[in-house]
Amino acid sequence: GAVVSQHPSWVICKSGTSVKIECRSLDFQATTMFWYRQFPKQSLMLMATSNEGSKATYEQGVEKDKFLINHASLTLSTLTVTSAHPEDSSFYICSARDGQRHSYEQYFGPGTRLTVT
Amino acid sequence: AQSVTQPDIHITVSEGASLELRCNYSYGATPYLFWYVQSPGQGLQLLLKYFSGDTLVQGIKGFEAEFKRSQSSFNLRKPSVHWSDAAEYFCAVGAEEYGNKLVFGAGTILRVKS
Repeated sequence: GAVVSQHPSWVICKSGTSVKIECRSLDFQATTMFWYRQFPKQSLMLMATSNEGSKATYEQGVEKDKFLINHASLTLSTLTVTSAHPEDSSFYICSARDGQRHSYEQYFGPGTRLTVT
Repeated sequence: AQSVTQPDIHITVSEGASLELRCNYSYGATPYLFWYVQSPGQGLQLLLKYFSGDTLVQGIKGFEAEFKRSQSSFNLRKPSVHWSDAAEYFCAVGAEEYGNKLVFGAGTILRVKS
């Protein structure tokens, strides 16, 4: 149980275009989802926290107009990178908390590698 | 501010030798802690977690970790390393008082030599 999927697993896009990444909880209801980015050979940095049905809370330094997060249902959150540039190339990982468990655990997706050319 | 320190960027051990990866945290609240492992290009796999109770926790793949509040540490150990353990290991800390957001350490890359 507690499986989180991401789609796509990798994507290449041209500079200036937008790309959407989906994060789904497959067998539980995720009241809270988190989006992280990881640059090569670096750690995970939290970008934003999203709660179902409300606006995402962005970490300091993360441009909310560039990284649009939508958490419209209890099983799906999306991250849209708008007007992507090569510096946005990174590994994006989502995680989700099970709203029906009193647990601090986050379940992580497999990640999406974004390359902007 | 909350912070997590993994002082060793790289560690190399011989196959069959014991392993200890260090993790220290600085938190103004009662923390909960995790250890994750990541293979190149892959997502995170949870090795073990500590929320409360017994400070020595057992995880998967023969790993264990001990929470020492007085030292603000949560070191990961394995008595006998296998070549397949070569990967990057991340310590992560969270607290309910900080919105359950996780702060990750910089990671430790483990190399196993035969």
